[in-house]
Amino acid sequence: KAGVTQTPRYLIKTRGQQVTLSCSPISGHRSVSWYQQTPGQGLQFLFEYFSETQRNKGNFPGRFSGRQFSNSRSEMNVSTLELGDSALYLCASSLEGNFGYGYTFGSGTRLTVV
Amino acid sequence: DQQVKQNSPSLSVQEGRISILNCDYTNSMFDYFLWYKKYPAEGPTFLISISSIKDKNEDGRFTVFLNKSAKHLSLHIVPSQPGDSAVYFCAASGSGSARQLTFGSGTQLTVLP
Repeated sequence: KAGVTQTPRYLIKTRGQQVTLSCSPISGHRSVSWYQQTPGQGLQFLFEYFSETQRNKGNFPGRFSGRQFSNSRSEMNVSTLELGDSALYLCASSLEGNFGYGYTFGSGTRLTVV
Repeated sequence: DQQVKQNSPSLSVQEGRISILNCDYTNSMFDYFLWYKKYPAEGPTFLISISSIKDKNEDGRFTVFLNKSAKHLSLHIVPSQPGDSAVYFCAASGSGSARQLTFGSGTQLTVLP
């Protein structure tokens, strides 16, 4: 079965712009979580969506937002980009969002802010 | 406040020997622990997990040990193979509002042939 698909794979944006990243979960998975990975920081939790509702939110500023559609596909948006937003953004899907063993990660979107 | 810590950013091991990766956590509400492996330009891949009611879980060459009193877990890889070279992330999950995965900063394992 198809895995978690993230688009685009690479993105270069200018400081102050906004960006939208997309994540298509595994068919049947209703939970989508987003993580930011930066060097030395590991993976930082952004938010989780389940059945079109944000169920959990990490400690990120309001410039980071997301949504989930009825087909479980999810998007995350970052407004007013800062240089420090340069990172690998990963999404993970699971059936119910409980316990990490059910999380399947996509390959990520590498965002570079210049 | 880092709730999951991997204090060794890197580890080098000879092929065929044992690799031991360590992880400490501070949140006593965590009840499920996992290890993920990550190659460059790929997403993390689930490796092995352990529930807080157990102290050991094995899967082939991989064994995870959990010491709840010390809030410490470790991943043992025996024997280590060059293909095991990757970044290993320790993660923990709670329940309810804490059900998301909290990751450590990762350990780069290099297995030398």
